[in-house]
Amino acid sequence: EAGVAQSPRYKIIEKRQSVAFWCNPISGHATLYWYQQILGQGPKLLIQFQNNGVVDDSQLPKDRFSAERLKGVDSTLKIQPAKLEDSAVYLCASSSLTGVGETQYFGPGTRLLVL
Amino acid sequence: AQSVTQLGSHVSVSEGALVLLRCNYSSSVPPYLFWYVQYPNQGLQLLLKYTTGATLVKGINGFEAEFKKSETSFHLTKPSAHMSDAAEYFCAVNPPLSQGGSEKLVFGKGTKLTVNP
Repeated sequence: EAGVAQSPRYKIIEKRQSVAFWCNPISGHATLYWYQQILGQGPKLLIQFQNNGVVDDSQLPKDRFSAERLKGVDSTLKIQPAKLEDSAVYLCASSSLTGVGETQYFGPGTRLLVL
Repeated sequence: AQSVTQLGSHVSVSEGALVLLRCNYSSSVPPYLFWYVQYPNQGLQLLLKYTTGATLVKGINGFEAEFKKSETSFHLTKPSAHMSDAAEYFCAVNPPLSQGGSEKLVFGKGTKLTVNP
């Protein structure tokens, strides 16, 4: 079974530029998550989708971050404009079922450096 | 809000020695508990999880963790460290339903494990 795919793996941009990350979850997984992992910290949830609907985006900085999952499969996370503090690893995860206690499967992440 | 504390951002052990990584959570009602491992430049991989039932949970690669409600702890152990165990380990929780339960994972800051030959 293929795992969660993410691209690109690395991205370097200058502040105020825009950037987009792509995620393809494990086939059949209805729930998709985007996490931000700043160096030295644990991942923090940005947004959770159930199929193509948003379940939780309470920690997404909506003035600059946006995410979509139009067909309920793959997803895109965008930052516009980027700030220095957005430098982090962006992790995508998916799970097959909804509910607390369900295992989330993580992709390899996209490492973003904002200069 | 639910929080997770991992004591020690860095732990160093000798190959063959006991590994003990500490995790405490802040909740009067037990959440669901997870340990994930992250190898360099990779995503997170589930080691084990506790939801209900037996409080001693066995995971992959010889790791196990024990849920202790009285101590609000979920420490991770392995009897004998191997060089390949060198990685960063994250404890995480799903907040319990009685406290606005959520599927999102709340992570600790992580513990980097070094294994010396």
